[in-house]
Amino acid sequence: ETGVTQTPRHLVMGMTNKKSLKCEQHLGHNAMYWYKQSAKKPLELMFVYNFKEQTENNSVPSRFSPECPNSSHLFLHLHTLQPEDSALYLCASSPRQGSAGANVLTFGAGSRLTVL
Amino acid sequence: RKEVEQDPGPFNVPEGATVAFNCTYSNSASQSFFWYRQDCRKEPKLLMSVYSSGNEDGRFTAQLNRASQYISLLIRDSKLSDSATYLCVVNIGDMRFGAGTRLTVKP
Repeated sequence: ETGVTQTPRHLVMGMTNKKSLKCEQHLGHNAMYWYKQSAKKPLELMFVYNFKEQTENNSVPSRFSPECPNSSHLFLHLHTLQPEDSALYLCASSPRQGSAGANVLTFGAGSRLTVL
Repeated sequence: RKEVEQDPGPFNVPEGATVAFNCTYSNSASQSFFWYRQDCRKEPKLLMSVYSSGNEDGRFTAQLNRASQYISLLIRDSKLSDSATYLCVVNIGDMRFGAGTRLTVKP
């Protein structure tokens, strides 16, 4: 497989469920990201991992819990979500975190989450 | 003020038209700039980086004005396949996205 792979592509869950989103990249990148995309809003950066260390948590509620066991895998654990958490969750990777011009993001196809 | 601001559109243009999008950003320390394209229900994909001197890739031309803190994208000879949402992206250490400008190219 190549690029960034996300599973599941679609997820419907109740507010009391626990589920996880998975992301895997085969690009040899060292930084991985979770973004949330809601309708008509900019992508919101949630979490950043650089060389497996979490370097950013943008005031994300604790019902979202990231995990990065290695540079190729990233999880987002979901627990007691709210209906307003329904959105497209995009995973991305880049060679490293930082402002260098070549540090572009490659996205996965996303996991579309619906919370009932 | 939003970190990255774009006109949401939609822009509806006929095939062959030239269309331009602008984007403004608030952080003067922004280091690098990009345009991404997002098709309906798909992930964003890099269209092109934006360099200080301006750059061109086929029918697409990107410009950067650091003094005024805006970025532009010009599409010449629009094709039906150019229909998408165009996202302005600014790197301040992490990538910050605009909400996107929707373009529809009609026959």
